[in-house]
Amino acid sequence: GDSVTQMEGPVTLSEEAFLTINCTYTATGYPSLFWYVQYPGEGLQLLLKATKADDKGSNKGFEATYRKETTSFHLEKGSVQVSDSAVYFCARSGNTPLVFGKGTRLSVIA
Amino acid sequence: GAVVSQHPSWVICKSGTSVKIECRSLDFQATTMFWYRQFPKQSLMLMATSNEGSKATYEQGVEKDKFLINHASLTLSTLTVTSAHPEDSSFYICSARAGGAGISNQPQHFGDGTRLSIL
Repeated sequence: GDSVTQMEGPVTLSEEAFLTINCTYTATGYPSLFWYVQYPGEGLQLLLKATKADDKGSNKGFEATYRKETTSFHLEKGSVQVSDSAVYFCARSGNTPLVFGKGTRLSVIA
Repeated sequence: GAVVSQHPSWVICKSGTSVKIECRSLDFQATTMFWYRQFPKQSLMLMATSNEGSKATYEQGVEKDKFLINHASLTLSTLTVTSAHPEDSSFYICSARAGGAGISNQPQHFGDGTRLSIL
């Protein structure tokens, strides 16, 4: 079935470091791809999305490019801040609910 | 846009009590809503999918008599945890999506979650 695999955390970075969180998905159909962010004690917020191959989603300095050839949607940010500390979930559209990865916890230290 | 409001955000109650959690889509019509459960430091576990005006579809292992879901309108779904016990303590999150059931490329929008603590 449909699945999403993302790198396991936790990831700990210093402020202003470069961030990459890897995400790959199963290639059935033509899914849309999403990154969600969950801050402590809160629900999930849509961070960015891409609906077709080669699309780049971006928001708040985060970017991810829909790579069909590698079935990937890696999340990147050039310079992380302490306020980016959260859990990040990669997801793909599927048959009814979105299919989520297991989440990657990011901690950014000053 | 696409705001989902979940209420209450925190509930503490005695064992045996029934607890109702509401999920509302504030600025769009949500034909499909989802209920998730999340354990500490873990991913979301889908409990059930509900479509307005029809019975919810429960995931394997989720007791439908324990977790009652009602999706009576296009903007409101409720989850009632009946006769709650300490093992039901968890973080419950609702999610809503415009459009019908089946394959969809639309994003899901999430409430802020309800932390349920059963004493």
